[in-house]
Amino acid sequence: DAGVIQSPRHEVTEMGQEVTLRCKPISGHNSLFWYRQTMMRGLELLIYFNNNVPIDDSGMPEDRFSAKMPNASFSTLKIQPSEPRDSAVYFCASSLGSPEQFFGPGTRLTVL
Amino acid sequence: AQKVTQAQTEISVVEKEDVTLDCVYETRDTTYYLFWYKQPPSGELVFLIRRNSFDEQNEISGRYSWNFQKSTSSFNFTITASQVVDSAVYFCALKLYSGNTPLVFGKGTRLSVIA
Repeated sequence: DAGVIQSPRHEVTEMGQEVTLRCKPISGHNSLFWYRQTMMRGLELLIYFNNNVPIDDSGMPEDRFSAKMPNASFSTLKIQPSEPRDSAVYFCASSLGSPEQFFGPGTRLTVL
Repeated sequence: AQKVTQAQTEISVVEKEDVTLDCVYETRDTTYYLFWYKQPPSGELVFLIRRNSFDEQNEISGRYSWNFQKSTSSFNFTITASQVVDSAVYFCALKLYSGNTPLVFGKGTRLSVIA
């Protein structure tokens, strides 16, 4: 069975450009989480969805960040405009009613 | 609010030594889950263990063991006879018991095992 799929795996962009990260959760899972990992702050939640509905977006740094889940099998995290301090690894995870969250491989974003 | 503290930022040991990674958590909830994840140099997050707050039995899995003590709000992880392949960043995390809620992670402990 396919796990959580994230694309791209690596993204290098210039400051000011729009960046879109994509996540496909495990089929049938009804919760999806976006986490960001930086050296300074570690792993922190950005936003999560239950049944495609955003539940808590208090971790989203600022208005430059937005996330959508148009259907149960796809979510995007968009940064517009991107800044060097957005450089991080972005993880997507999904779950179905159980405590375990299944993580994707992450997207390593570098903003020059 | 929940908080997880891993006071050890980096640990370096020589192969075959035992090493304990500390984790202290804070929560007002009486029911919750605790986790350990491993992040090897390749970057993925590997699930190691989950414990329920009402199950304080220690657990052993091969060279890995976990000591959960509610009285001290700690969930420590010991690797016996460490190996170079154990070199990774280890994260402790907490999750509320009810609902599809997020994980709250500690900052992680980077373990280096030297041959």
